Amino acid sequence: DAKTTQPNSMESNEEEPVHLPCNHSTISGTDYIHWYRQLPSQGPEYVIHGLTSNVNNRMASLAIAEDRKSSTLILHRATLRDAAVYYCILGYSGYALNFGKGTSLLVTP
Amino acid sequence: GAVVSQHPSWVICKSGTSVKIECRSLDFQATTMFWYRQFPKQSLMLMATSNEGSKATYEQGVEKDKFLINHASLTLSTLTVTSAHPEDSSFYICSARPDTAWGEQYFGPGTRLTVT
Repeated sequence: DAKTTQPNSMESNEEEPVHLPCNHSTISGTDYIHWYRQLPSQGPEYVIHGLTSNVNNRMASLAIAEDRKSSTLILHRATLRDAAVYYCILGYSGYALNFGKGTSLLVTP
Repeated sequence: GAVVSQHPSWVICKSGTSVKIECRSLDFQATTMFWYRQFPKQSLMLMATSNEGSKATYEQGVEKDKFLINHASLTLSTLTVTSAHPEDSSFYICSARPDTAWGEQYFGPGTRLTVT
C-alpha cells in the first residue's frame, strides 16, 4: 500500500484558513486521495476526495500537486468544531481504508 | 445523506462473556461492510470485511473464532466478541459501502467496549 506522511499536529486560530499537508510520493496512478476526519469518540467523517484535479465542496478544498506526490486539505475558515484528527488516505473509497496516524488539528479561539 | 448506525454505542461486560455489536445502513443497501478497531490514541485498524451471504474476510492477526461476523441482510452486519477479555476493550467502528455507489463509504458512530 502506498503510504502517506502527515504532520502529527497543527494549530490554527479560529476563523483563519488552515492548510493540512500530506505527502504521498509512492502514489500509484489509480489511487484516489481521500481525506477523512475524526472527532473525539466518533466515527470518521468523509471530508473530500480527488484523483488529479483540485476539488471543492462545502466542507473543504483539496489541492493536488501536478505530480500527485503531495496534496493539501484546505479549510477556508476554521471553527472550533473543526478540531479533529485529519487522515489523508490513498486508495479507492469503496474498499477498506488504510488509516495512518493523521494530523491532530487544534483550533484556538 | 447516507447514515450508518451502531448499537450499542457503549457496553461494559465481564471477562468471559460475549458481546454483540450491530451495524446498520439506515437508508441504503450495503453488500459490503467493514469492521475497524481503534485503541486509545491510536488509528483505526481494519479487522475484517463483511459480505452479505458469504464468510467474512479477516485481516492477518484477527482471530475469526473470537470475532464472529454475520452479515445477515443487505442492511445489517453484526460483530460478536466471544469470551471477551480486558485486552478486547476498544472502540469498534463499522463502515458500509452503498451497493449503488461503490466509490463511497460511510462510517458508523462507533461502539465503546469495556471488558472488566
